[in-house]
Amino acid sequence: DAGVIQSPRHEVTEMGQEVTLRCKPISGHNSLFWYRQTMMRGLELLIYFNNNVPIDDSGMPEDRFSAKMPNASFSTLKIQPSEPRDSAVYFCASSLRQSAYEQYFGPGTRLTVT
Amino acid sequence: AQTVTQSQPEMSVQEAETVTLSCTYDTSENNYYLFWYKQPPSRQMILVIRQEAYKQQNATENRFSVNFQKAAKSFSLKISDSQLGDTAMYFCAFMKLNFNKFYFGSGTKLNVKP
Repeated sequence: DAGVIQSPRHEVTEMGQEVTLRCKPISGHNSLFWYRQTMMRGLELLIYFNNNVPIDDSGMPEDRFSAKMPNASFSTLKIQPSEPRDSAVYFCASSLRQSAYEQYFGPGTRLTVT
Repeated sequence: AQTVTQSQPEMSVQEAETVTLSCTYDTSENNYYLFWYKQPPSRQMILVIRQEAYKQQNATENRFSVNFQKAAKSFSLKISDSQLGDTAMYFCAFMKLNFNKFYFGSGTKLNVKP
């Protein structure tokens, strides 16, 4: 099992540019989560999907952030336009609801917006 | 709303000694899950241990065990025979049953000294 796969691992971009983060969940998992981690705010849930459907996006900071899950094996988190305060580590996690809800995290994407 | 509090931002322990990390939570729910996750310097989030609220027996995984006090809403993690590889951030997390959204604490940084 390859685990949750995220790409890219590191992203450096200039303010105003569009950024797309990608996630491939563990095969067979039916829930997917996007988190953001910063020193100031800790680990924040941005949005999560059940069976490819967004269930709770209350953590999405503003309209510049959007997330999609077109199929069970792929999700994207897009920031457009990016700002320096978006600099953080973004994690994707997946879980199988029938297996006690354990979330398996990807390695994260470190985003730096200059 | 659910809140999770980790009151120890940082702790140190000598190798081979025992250390306990504290976690308290606030909820009106009766059935829920509690988790401890470890984040080493590699930043990979790794599940350490899980506890179902309806189980009175404390969960144990090798050197890791919990002290779950439901009435006090307390969920501490005990690490026995600490090893250098235990150096990491440790996050406590709460999840309502059938509602697979996690609420994370702010984390405790554990440093195991040789």
